[in-house]
Amino acid sequence: GNSVTQMEGPVTLSEEAFLTINCTYTATGYPSLFWYVQYPGEGLQLLLKATKADDKGSNKGFEATYRKETTSFHLEKGSVQVSDSAVYFCALSASNSGGSNYKLTFGKGTLLTVNP
Amino acid sequence: NAGVTQTPKFRILKIGQSMTLQCTQDMNHNYMYWYRQDPGMGLKLIYYSVGAGITDKGEVPNGYNVSRSTTEDFPLRLELAAPSQTSVYFCASSPRDRGLYGYTFGSGTRLTVV
Repeated sequence: GNSVTQMEGPVTLSEEAFLTINCTYTATGYPSLFWYVQYPGEGLQLLLKATKADDKGSNKGFEATYRKETTSFHLEKGSVQVSDSAVYFCALSASNSGGSNYKLTFGKGTLLTVNP
Repeated sequence: NAGVTQTPKFRILKIGQSMTLQCTQDMNHNYMYWYRQDPGMGLKLIYYSVGAGITDKGEVPNGYNVSRSTTEDFPLRLELAAPSQTSVYFCASSPRDRGLYGYTFGSGTRLTVV
């Protein structure tokens, strides 16, 4: 079946530090990959996405590249801000057993805390 | 546009009580989903629907029921609430091309069963 594994948290960084959150996946077929962000007390918001190999998704200074050879979709940001403190979820959308059922599968989430 | 709206935002239930979590979307999305989020466990799919009149079970359907009489609404029913159902519940929707566009989430319902 489909699965997503992302690095265990929590991650604590100082402002302006470099961020990497690792995400690897197992899927049948050709999945689409996503990063969602959840700010405290809110629902999940789509941060960025990539739909085919070598695509780079980007938004708000965050980037992630779809690496089919390593089945990875690591999230990076060059300089984090206090306002980036949130939980980040890696997710994939792929058919199950070759059918048309494209439900999202989520990782467990990584809590990021950025200190001033 | 309001997107996906969930009510209530908070609720405390006693063991054995029942309640309905409401979810409505105004984007004319065919697909709708209910997830629960437990600390450190990510999101688990409870039920989903691919259109009005069609629903199916997800990973953790026991103790819940759903219906989808209209495209806009997808209520989740808890019968005989148990402490194990204490969680944050999220409703989400997506257009038919869900592989490309991901999901739009509501802001959640925090449920405590005591």
